[in-house]
Amino acid sequence: AQKITQTQPGMFVQEKEAVTLDCTYDTSDPSYGLFWYKQPSSGEMIFLIYQGSYDQQNATEGRYSLNFQKARKSANLVISASQLGDSAMYFCAMREGGGNQFYFGTGTSLTVIP
Amino acid sequence: DAGVTQSPTHLIKTRGQQVTLRCSPKSGHDTVSWYQQALGQGPQFIFQYYEEEERQRGNFPDRFSGHQFPNYSSELNVNALLLGDSALYLCASSRWGSYMNTEAFFGQGTRLTVV
Repeated sequence: AQKITQTQPGMFVQEKEAVTLDCTYDTSDPSYGLFWYKQPSSGEMIFLIYQGSYDQQNATEGRYSLNFQKARKSANLVISASQLGDSAMYFCAMREGGGNQFYFGTGTSLTVIP
Repeated sequence: DAGVTQSPTHLIKTRGQQVTLRCSPKSGHDTVSWYQQALGQGPQFIFQYYEEEERQRGNFPDRFSGHQFPNYSSELNVNALLLGDSALYLCASSRWGSYMNTEAFFGQGTRLTVV
C-alpha cells in the first residue's frame, strides 16, 4: 500500500487566493512526522512545514499551514494569499519513528494565475 | 554556508555504461541519503550512509551502490545502466540521530539520461 497519497495531479489558484493541497498517509507506527516540500523546476526540494504525530496543534509557517486530521490520516497543506512564485510541484512526505527514509507522494503541480 | 551540492547537474550515458554521481552535504551534517525521482513521480529512497557505512537501503538492485568518505561527502554508482535509470537523482543531508522533525536538506539533483 502507498504510504503517501496525493490525489491532485494539478491545481490552479488565482493570485492572492488560498489553496489546499491534499495528502493522506498510511502507517501503523504511532510515531511519525509529516513534511511538505516544494520543488521548483530547478529540482531542489525546499522544506516548507512539519507536523509530528504527537503534536496537538496544527503547524504553521508564515503563509503555510498544515491541516492535520489524525483520525482521517490526512495532512493537507494550506497556502494562503498565493503568489506567482508559489507555482511549483508540491510533495507530501513522511518519516516513521523507526527509520530514516522519507516516503514521498507523487506530488501536486500548483499553478498560480495572475 | 553552502547547502547540499551535487555534481554533475546533467549527464547523458549510454545503456550498459556505469555512472558516478557526487554529493557534498550541508556543513555540520554527517548523513547522506540518495533518492531517485523518475519523471512525474515522487522521490524514491535508494540508500543512506553514515560513518562511511550503508545504514538503510530501499528497494533498489545491487547495480546501485554507494560510498561515503571521511569528509561526509558521498558517491552514488550505478552499473550496467538501463533506460529506466533515467531520472533526477537527489542527495539529502541530515544529522544522524537528530529528532524526527529535522527536515532533510536536498541538493538540486543530477539529471541522468540513459540513451
